[in-house]
Amino acid sequence: SAVISQKPSRDICQRGTSLTIQCQVDSQVTMMFWYRQQPGQSLTLIATANQGSEATYESGFVIDKFPISRPNLTFSTLTVSNMSPEDSSIYLCSGMYPSEWGYTFGSGTRLTVV
Amino acid sequence: DQQVKQNSPSLSVQEGRISILNCDYTNSMFDYFLWYKKYPAEGPTFLISISSIKDKNEDGRFTVFLNKSAKHLSLHIVPSQPGDSAVYFCAASATNFGNEKLTFGTGTRLTIIP
Repeated sequence: SAVISQKPSRDICQRGTSLTIQCQVDSQVTMMFWYRQQPGQSLTLIATANQGSEATYESGFVIDKFPISRPNLTFSTLTVSNMSPEDSSIYLCSGMYPSEWGYTFGSGTRLTVV
Repeated sequence: DQQVKQNSPSLSVQEGRISILNCDYTNSMFDYFLWYKKYPAEGPTFLISISSIKDKNEDGRFTVFLNKSAKHLSLHIVPSQPGDSAVYFCAASATNFGNEKLTFGTGTRLTIIP
């Protein structure tokens, strides 16, 4: 089955700083996504990471706050900018593979902002 | 607007018995449904999926049932095992409409009692 590597697995950051999360997949995917899971909540889609172009953001999420890059088919980064305690969440990378309809997720990045 | 709902936040089942997790949706364009299992500090793991052209899909101990007219799906786990204790999310997408992004339910915490 597909494997997605995500790092860091966790971090504690000061408010006002930024954190970049990396996501690496082990084979070519057709689509990559970034999700957020706030404490006690469901998974919410932040954006679809598009290769070589700007990400497609969902309502309520903007590029200035969550810049995303996807320089090639198998790698993407999500930056959480100018962090506040409200950004404390688990951030998850996901890939959709052409050979299976089960989207695969990374293990997540648990972010705490203090 | 919660398009995918899991009305039971928690469920406890005796080991060896059947676990039934329920999910309701409101968007009639959803045509593909998935169930995920999530342990703390890990990303969601794909369990089973079903297309809207079917009403049942089975994989080992896991069976998913889809009732399109009621916009309802359920996951049956038989027999339940202690390792099944986790949070279960249902998710949906509108793939035939070119929308592959997943919309998740709020999750049900399943506890299997030995």
